[in-house]
Amino acid sequence: QSALTQPASVSGSPGQSITISCTGTSSDVGSYDLVSWYQHHPGKAPKLMIYEVNKRPSGVSNRFSGSKSGNTASLTISGLQAEDEADYCCCSYAVNTTYVIFGGGTKLTVL
Amino acid sequence: QVQLQESGPGLVKPSETLSLTCTVSGGSISNYYWSWIRQPPGKGLEWIGYIYSSGSTNYNPSLKSRVTISVDTSKNQFSVSLTSVTAADTAVYFCARSSMAARPRFDYWGQGTLVTVSS
Repeated sequence: QSALTQPASVSGSPGQSITISCTGTSSDVGSYDLVSWYQHHPGKAPKLMIYEVNKRPSGVSNRFSGSKSGNTASLTISGLQAEDEADYCCCSYAVNTTYVIFGGGTKLTVL
Repeated sequence: QVQLQESGPGLVKPSETLSLTCTVSGGSISNYYWSWIRQPPGKGLEWIGYIYSSGSTNYNPSLKSRVTISVDTSKNQFSVSLTSVTAADTAVYFCARSSMAARPRFDYWGQGTLVTVSS
């Protein structure tokens, strides 16, 4: 099964908003509200930012939000800050195949 | 604060077995699902499999014939073995925790360990 499709890179200036898309199929993203997003600074442990499409774990800034439409999920970061520069990866439940499937990852650059 | 730490050889020869251990500190290994996830250089993440604290497992079908995940609750550790490795198994290997199998979200991760398959 192919990975979920994410843009390789996005960029934005401090204070701006950006959105990262995550496109799957009707077998994964489209079938379940079980998309999660992870922030990864290289060399560090990935961090859960969003789960079940739009829920934020305790301690995650409300500048991070998630949504889904059809087979595409999105992560929006508002009020960009320098520390948001990282890799972001989406993940979807895919019970009939590999249990979970990840996106290829998106590198966010804060200009 | 729960912390996960991967450990094991950083270099494995082709056709041999890759073995890694994840040590969980700051919390119990009981009543959670523990996964191994890898990221080949320049590629996205790939879920390898999980084990529940009771010992039940679920593996990625593409790796199922070569993977075994085990748990040692007395040591708060779980491990992965991957047999007959090739260069395609070169990756950063992460361990991660999730609370529910049917609603997977990986709320704690290790920082990952690079395993290179090379002679």
